[in-house]
Amino acid sequence: NAGVTQTPKFRILKIGQSMTLQCTQDMNHNYMYWYRQDPGMGLKLIYYSVGAGITDKGEVPNGYNVSRSTTEDFPLRLELAAPSQTSVYFCASRKGQMNTGELFFGEGSRLTVL
Amino acid sequence: GESVGLHLPTLSVQEGDNSIINCAYSNSASDYFIWYKQESGKGPQFIIDIRSNMDKRQGQRVTVLLNKTVKHLSLQIAATQPGDSAVYFCAAVAGGYQKVTFGIGTKLQVIP
Repeated sequence: NAGVTQTPKFRILKIGQSMTLQCTQDMNHNYMYWYRQDPGMGLKLIYYSVGAGITDKGEVPNGYNVSRSTTEDFPLRLELAAPSQTSVYFCASRKGQMNTGELFFGEGSRLTVL
Repeated sequence: GESVGLHLPTLSVQEGDNSIINCAYSNSASDYFIWYKQESGKGPQFIIDIRSNMDKRQGQRVTVLLNKTVKHLSLQIAATQPGDSAVYFCAAVAGGYQKVTFGIGTKLQVIP
């Protein structure tokens, strides 16, 4: 198992550009999450999904969109990138048993918006 | 919404001593808690978890204590080693919505 795989690992964007951060997991987990982590801070939940076709907003969803067309993939879309979106983005997945099950994280995607 | 926070942003301990990292949560509906360790440049890694029907859970060199009355949990690391140096996060899961929210984190520095 590869676990949770994120691409790209690093990206520099200009203000106003758009891009998609890819996330895929091969553990057949129902739940998937996107977090951002600013320097010296904790992880803020952007969006999450409890299964294919279902997505919900987290704490900081503005400026982002997600889709969950398959169990494996949970891409995060940034439209009209802004400097405030400079951060490290982590994708994670969980098995989906009610209120149990650790999160498995990807290695992160470091995004800089200039 | 859920708010999870930590009392101490940085903790320095002598190698071999025990470490205690604290965490407070605000949502009384939280019923599952997880501690993660994050090393520089890496994603968080699972350490130990505890469900709300438990007060204590032990792992290898780590113990998590949960006090639901004051909405507080702690992570105890026995005989702290240099390899324990990292940022530690607590996370809380509130039943029903499956949101997993994190605190700011505590940086543990182990002094050789």
